[in-house]
Amino acid sequence: DSGVTQTPKHLITATGQRVTLRCSPRSGDLSVYWYQQSLDQGLQFLIHYYNGEERAKGNILERFSAQQFPDLHSELNLSSLELGDSALYFCASSPLARSGYGYTFGSGTRLTVV
Amino acid sequence: ELKVEQNPLFLSMQEGKNYTIYCNYSTTSDRLYWYRQDPGKSLESLFVLLSNGAVKQEGRLMASLDTKARLSTLHITAAVHDLSATYFCAVDSGRDDKIIFGKGTRLHILP
Repeated sequence: DSGVTQTPKHLITATGQRVTLRCSPRSGDLSVYWYQQSLDQGLQFLIHYYNGEERAKGNILERFSAQQFPDLHSELNLSSLELGDSALYFCASSPLARSGYGYTFGSGTRLTVV
Repeated sequence: ELKVEQNPLFLSMQEGKNYTIYCNYSTTSDRLYWYRQDPGKSLESLFVLLSNGAVKQEGRLMASLDTKARLSTLHITAAVHDLSATYFCAVDSGRDDKIIFGKGTRLHILP
C-alpha cells in the first residue's frame, strides 16, 4: 500500500455520462497530480494542485475539471464522456509542490466508457 | 514546452545481458525520476536524481543524470526475468510545476 488511495478502482459507464474519481494523498502530502494513461498516449499530465490551489494544467480537456478540498483529498470530474476517455487515471502525491523525494502513485482508477 | 523522449520503446533481451535505456529531455531541469510499472499495476518509484552527475544504484539497476546533456540513463546489469516491466523516466519542468513522463520502455527479459 503506497498510502495514496484512489476510488473507485474500476468504473464502467456510458457515453455522455459524468463520473467523479477520488484521490486521498499520503498523510502529510500537500501536492496532488492527476495523470491519464492510455495505450497510445502514454502518461499524460492533467493537473496539479498544491494545498488547495491549482498550480499547473496540462492537456486537460474542458470537459474535465478537478479540485482539492481543505482535507487535501482531490476529485477529478469527467463529463460528457466519450469512448476515447477510457483509460487508467492515476493520482500521485508529494509533500511539496516540487518534490526532492519523488512522487507516490495510487493504484489508479480504470475507466471504461461504453 | 518540456518534451521527454525515451529510447528504445521496446526492448527484448536475454537474461545475463547488459543494456541501457536512454531518457532525453528538451528544457533545463535538475530533477529526474525513474519509475517501474508492471502490467495493470501502479508506478513504483525507483530513483530520484537531483543534480548533475548524480548516480544511484539499486541491485542490477543504475541510473545517472547529465543535466548539461539533458540526458539520463538507466543501466541494467546481468538482467534477470524479474526485471521485465515498463520503465518510465519523468522530468520536473521547473517553474511550470509539471512532471512530464516519457512514453516508457517496455522491457522483456527472456529466460
